[in-house]
Amino acid sequence: AQSVTQLGSHVSVSEGALVLLRCNYSSSVPPYLFWYVQYPNQGLQLLLKYTTGATLVKGINGFEAEFKKSETSFHLTKPSAHMSDAAEYFCAVSDPQAGTALIFGKGTTLSVSS
Amino acid sequence: DTGVSQNPRHKITKRGQNVTFRCDPISEHNRLYWYRQTLGQGPEFLTYFQNEAQLEKSRLLSDRFSAERPKGSFSTLEIQRTEQGDSAMYLCASSPRRSSGNTIYFGEGSWLTVV
Repeated sequence: AQSVTQLGSHVSVSEGALVLLRCNYSSSVPPYLFWYVQYPNQGLQLLLKYTTGATLVKGINGFEAEFKKSETSFHLTKPSAHMSDAAEYFCAVSDPQAGTALIFGKGTTLSVSS
Repeated sequence: DTGVSQNPRHKITKRGQNVTFRCDPISEHNRLYWYRQTLGQGPEFLTYFQNEAQLEKSRLLSDRFSAERPKGSFSTLEIQRTEQGDSAMYLCASSPRRSSGNTIYFGEGSWLTVV
């Protein structure tokens, strides 16, 4: 079965600093991997996804993530944090045993200080 | 494209009452999903439909939970005899049949508080 582990439930950075949110996955088949963002009291918005091909994936709002099969990782990065990036971030893996449903990690709260 | 619509957005109910949430997916999306999210946790997959067929329901939390999608369009999630532990946000999502990389699109959720 697929699973996702997000290391660090809370990450704090200063505005302009590098953002690094960690995600490791477990999958018995080649995974599809996703990062979603959730703002307070809202649903989830897709940031980016990896399916096949290029392992460095670029998403919205300047975020990117790199699929590293050898490390079973899919860490999310952004070179320069902005105050508006403060939110909850979820890594997810597609679970073939549940149709196309996604299995999510527990999330990482990103705080950005000025 | 109006996005995935859920209602009610907030529901407060007394323990033991039944509640029903409705989800209207993005037009022409034939896959529909229900998730539950509690505070400090990621969304937890409950069930999904392809058109009107419920293809996975073993992850529904108990037999008090049921979902329907009678005409392959909107869906309802019903919780019978609610318990305080059912307090959570219930998220609906949808995707098209040939969604690249299984991308699914979420609604804004329905908050349930059981008192």
